[in-house]
Order: sequence, then C-alpha cells, then structure tokens
Amino acid sequence: RKEVEQDPGPFNVPEGATVAFNCTYSNSASQSFFWYRQDCRKEPKLLMSVYSSGNEDGRFTAQLNRASQYISLLIRDSKLSDSATYLCVVNLAPGGFKTIFGAGTRLFVKA
Amino acid sequence: GAVVSQHPSRVICKSGTSVKIECRSLDFQATTMFWYRQFPKQSLMLMATSNEGSKATYEQGVEKDKFLINHASLTLSTLTVTSAHPEDSSFYICSGVTGINQPQHFGDGTRLSIL
Repeated sequence: RKEVEQDPGPFNVPEGATVAFNCTYSNSASQSFFWYRQDCRKEPKLLMSVYSSGNEDGRFTAQLNRASQYISLLIRDSKLSDSATYLCVVNLAPGGFKTIFGAGTRLFVKA
Repeated sequence: GAVVSQHPSRVICKSGTSVKIECRSLDFQATTMFWYRQFPKQSLMLMATSNEGSKATYEQGVEKDKFLINHASLTLSTLTVTSAHPEDSSFYICSGVTGINQPQHFGDGTRLSIL
C-alpha cells in the first residue's frame, strides 16, 4: 500500500461544477498536510495547508480527518484555470523529517 | 510569500558534462531542502533530503556519487549531476521548508537535457 494515495483520475468536469479530491495516508505519525497544484511542465505551487478544523480559501475547502487518516479538497464553481494536477502532501517525522507526495489527480475543466 | 530561486532554468549540454543546479531561499531560512526529479507525465520523485550542515539523505535507487548535494547554508543548496548522460535528462526541482509543520516552497525547476 502506498503511503499517500489519491484518486487516480483524471476528472473531467464542466465549468461551474463542484469537484472533490480524496487522499488517504497510512502513517499515523503524519503531522502536517497540504494540497498543491501543478501545471504542466511547472513546479508545484502551494494551494493550501490542511488543518484539523478544516479550512476554506475562496472556492477551495480542505478537510482533515485524523481518525480515518483522510484528507479532502473541494473546489466549488470550477473555472477553466483550475485545470491542473492536484497533489496531496504529507509531512511526518519518524526519526527525521520526511515528506511524501501523492501521485496526483489530474483535473480537466471544460467550457 | 516565501520565495525559492532555482538556477539555471534550462540546461542543454553534452554527455559527460557535470551540471550544477543552485537552489536559494530568498526570504526565509530553509532548515531542510528537498531535491526532486520529474520525468514527463510522471509524478515527482524525491531524490534526497538535505539539512543545513549535514550530509544529504538519499532515496533508494539514487546514487549519491552521481548526484552530489551540498547544503552549506540555510539559504543555499546545490545539486551537481556528475558526468551526466542522456538518461539523466529530466526536470529537477528543489524546495525549502522551515519546519515539519510548514509547507514546502518550490523553485521554478531546472529542465536538463543531455545530448
């Protein structure tokens, strides 16, 4: 089992749709959680950190369920510019700083 | 926001050349820096983790003598691809982080092409 698993995708949605990405992690020592987006041939860019209480930034909502070891990202009112690969990232410290990326979920938003 | 500068952005060179890539955190002190490689249409692959002043920790399958990492200060890490060959052609990306509860900030990446 992979340490961080994401929906395989791709997701194809029309503009204005709501789309949800799921991510699970296997190591209970995981300490911090993030969502990044990566455009083709570009570096990943931080979308948002994920907090236990859940957090929202405009059209984006992230949630964390530590008991289920599950993270989600919800995008409301999808825009064409949301088309990208969304990466779930987990930091943990089982004797040293370790960071693990999910394989990413590709999103295509179409007009 | 935190900025990481990576240089050069593009390198094209002959097989056998050694290539050095610099990664600088411009407005924060990166206690830990990561080096990644990404082949077309594939996921990011972590190559190594480096902490300032200590030896880098390499991921399984990454040759430490091939990919030399130096993290001499809290704002600078370098990756040297020694005697590069065509199979080393890839997109190399660095990131810096201040602590385990903080997000990584990525450089713009270096596209390396070995002829």
